[in-house]
Amino acid sequence: AQSVTQLDSHVSVSEGTPVLLRCNYSSSYSPSLFWYVQHPNKGLQLLLKYTSAATLVKGINGFEAEFKKSETSFHLTKPSAHMSDAAEYFCVVSDSNFGNEKLTFGTGTRLTIIP
Amino acid sequence: DAGVIQSPRHEVTEMGQEVTLRCKPISGHNSLFWYRQTMMRGLELLIYFNNNVPIDDSGMPEDRFSAKMPNASFSTLKIQPSEPRDSAVYFCASSSFSTSNYGYTFGSGTRLTVV
Repeated sequence: AQSVTQLDSHVSVSEGTPVLLRCNYSSSYSPSLFWYVQHPNKGLQLLLKYTSAATLVKGINGFEAEFKKSETSFHLTKPSAHMSDAAEYFCVVSDSNFGNEKLTFGTGTRLTIIP
Repeated sequence: DAGVIQSPRHEVTEMGQEVTLRCKPISGHNSLFWYRQTMMRGLELLIYFNNNVPIDDSGMPEDRFSAKMPNASFSTLKIQPSEPRDSAVYFCASSSFSTSNYGYTFGSGTRLTVV
C-alpha cells in the first residue's frame, strides 16, 4: 500500500524568504513522487515529478524537491517565496508497478505568503 | 493541446435529480481518473480506467455513482439520484506512461452543488 504524509497543514513565510514544504511517503515498490499545486478555485497543476532518475528534481516556478530514500522523504523547496506562490500544495505518490497507476494524495499544505 | 476538458464547470441541481459530468482526456493518453475534492475528505480517487476499461472503482461511494468510458476520448460520471452530500468539486485527469511523457494532467474541475 502507498501513502503520503504532509507534515504541515499550513505554512506561512515572508515574501523573499525560503519555502520548505515537508512530505514523507510509504510505498511497497519503487515509488514515483509528484508535487501538485492548486490555486484558489483552480485545478491541479503539476509542479515536478520524480520517477527514479536524478534524486534532485527541478520543477516550474523555481521549485525543486529531493528524493531521499533513506528518510522516505520528498520535501519541496524554493529559495525565495513570491506572492504568487500562495496556494495549496499536494504531495502525491504512485507505485511504479506498471498496471497500478493510482495516485495517492496527501492532505495538502496551504502556503501563505506574508508581504 | 487543449488539455483535459471537463463540462460543465458548475452545476447546481436539486436533490434527487440525475447529474452527469463529462470529461475529454488528452489525445493519446491511455489512463483516465475521476477524483472528488471536499473540504472534509480532501482529494479522493473515485475510479480509474486504463485503455477504456475500469481498473479500480473501489473509491466509488455507493451505487448511486456510475462511470463509463465508451471510447478513448470521452468519459462520464453519473450520480443518480443526487444528494446534498455529493456537493464537491469533481476532477478528471488523464495520463500516459510512455517513457517520453510520464505525467498526469488534471482538468479544471466541475463544481457540483446539490440543494
